[in-house]
Amino acid sequence: KQEVTQIPAALSVPEGENLVLNCSFTDSAIYNLQWFRQDPGKGLTSLLLIQSSQREQTSGRLNASLDKSSGRSTLYIAASQPGDSATYLCAVRPPQKLVFGTGTRLLVSP
Amino acid sequence: DTAVSQTPKYLVTQMGNDKSIKCEQNLGHDTMYWYKQDSKKFLKIMFSYNNKELIINETVPNRFSPKSPDKAHLNLHINSLELGDSAVYFCASSQVSGGTEQFFGPGTRLTVL
Repeated sequence: KQEVTQIPAALSVPEGENLVLNCSFTDSAIYNLQWFRQDPGKGLTSLLLIQSSQREQTSGRLNASLDKSSGRSTLYIAASQPGDSATYLCAVRPPQKLVFGTGTRLLVSP
Repeated sequence: DTAVSQTPKYLVTQMGNDKSIKCEQNLGHDTMYWYKQDSKKFLKIMFSYNNKELIINETVPNRFSPKSPDKAHLNLHINSLELGDSAVYFCASSQVSGGTEQFFGPGTRLTVL
């Protein structure tokens, strides 16, 4: 059974810092891994999708890496801003569904 | 343009009632999903439909019945609502059921009193 864990559960940083969010999964048989952000009371916004054959994806200040063999992914956020404050979720895709991690709640203070 | 939409956004009802949540996607995707986010914010798959056919049912009680009239719609009907059904329900869609990106709706917050 696939299990996804995210560390840390919560993170508070001052504006401008670079930070790393971690995601680990127990079964390396995945199609892809997707990072989302969720704002309070809102839906999920897809940030990055990494296919199982890829090692990283970049979008603006975000960079996500995938090491399938070790069951790990990281989301790197450069020059963090208060607008980055949200809960970040990673999800892995075995066939046909997403299995979500527990989330990291990020607070970036001005 | 709303890609994945859900109605209603909020739903408050009494125990024992029957209610429905509607989902529509205008992305031309083949596969749609229902997820449940509990009070601890943990998201879990409930159902998945591909071209109107059920492909995933994750041990959800029979009181939950998804209905897909066409591939752009996946509605969720819940019978005999219980307190434990209170959660946020998210609809999502993807191009195919394999390795493509999933897009999520805004969620429906269901509160059962």
